Amino acid sequence: QKEVEQNSGPLSVPEGAIASLNCTYSDRGSQSFFWYRQYSGKSPELIMFIYSNGDKEDGRFTAQLNKASQYVSLLIRDSQPSDSATYLCAVRPTGGGNKLTFGTGTQLKVEL
Amino acid sequence: EAQVTQNPRYLITVTGKKLTVTCSQNMNHEYMSWYRQDPGLGLRQIYYSMNVEVTDKGDVPEGYKVSRKEKRNFPLILESPSPNQTSLYFCASKSEGRGYEQYFGPGTRLTVT
Repeated sequence: QKEVEQNSGPLSVPEGAIASLNCTYSDRGSQSFFWYRQYSGKSPELIMFIYSNGDKEDGRFTAQLNKASQYVSLLIRDSQPSDSATYLCAVRPTGGGNKLTFGTGTQLKVEL
Repeated sequence: EAQVTQNPRYLITVTGKKLTVTCSQNMNHEYMSWYRQDPGLGLRQIYYSMNVEVTDKGDVPEGYKVSRKEKRNFPLILESPSPNQTSLYFCASKSEGRGYEQYFGPGTRLTVT
């Protein structure tokens, strides 16, 4: 089992819809969870982080964390073509210090 | 402007020819790290450094070396590159403390023939 799993996609949503991206992790003791956006050929860019169970909202983005189910998700409301990118889930494992373990990413396509 | 820089951005080389990819940050970050990104495998950590003269192996350190003689610089050295080191490489840095997270450089695309 991979430490951080994501569906590779592509996930296609129409413009204006809600995009839902999911991630599961294996280390039950993980404490910190991150979402990075990566445009093709570019470097990953941090868009959200969440430490506690529940929801965290920032603009059009909402991160959701359920530690009991070892599941973290990212919702993007009012999806725009500029949101088309690969979204990387990253987890800080137990005792990992500054280490991040990344999933392989989900490709999102927002269609006009 | 706060940033992480890498050089070169693109490099094509031959097997066995030593090379260095430089990484520099201007944010006075303590933590720096190197990753490689390959299709289907995601980002994997090669080496990291907690501060000057403190380095440690990540998940895929074989075939790589690093050094941290100055806080701002963290070069990645390939003593004898092989084709399986063809990849996209990212340097990242981070300030200590919760709430500060890793910021990535622009990437170096390396091809070893």
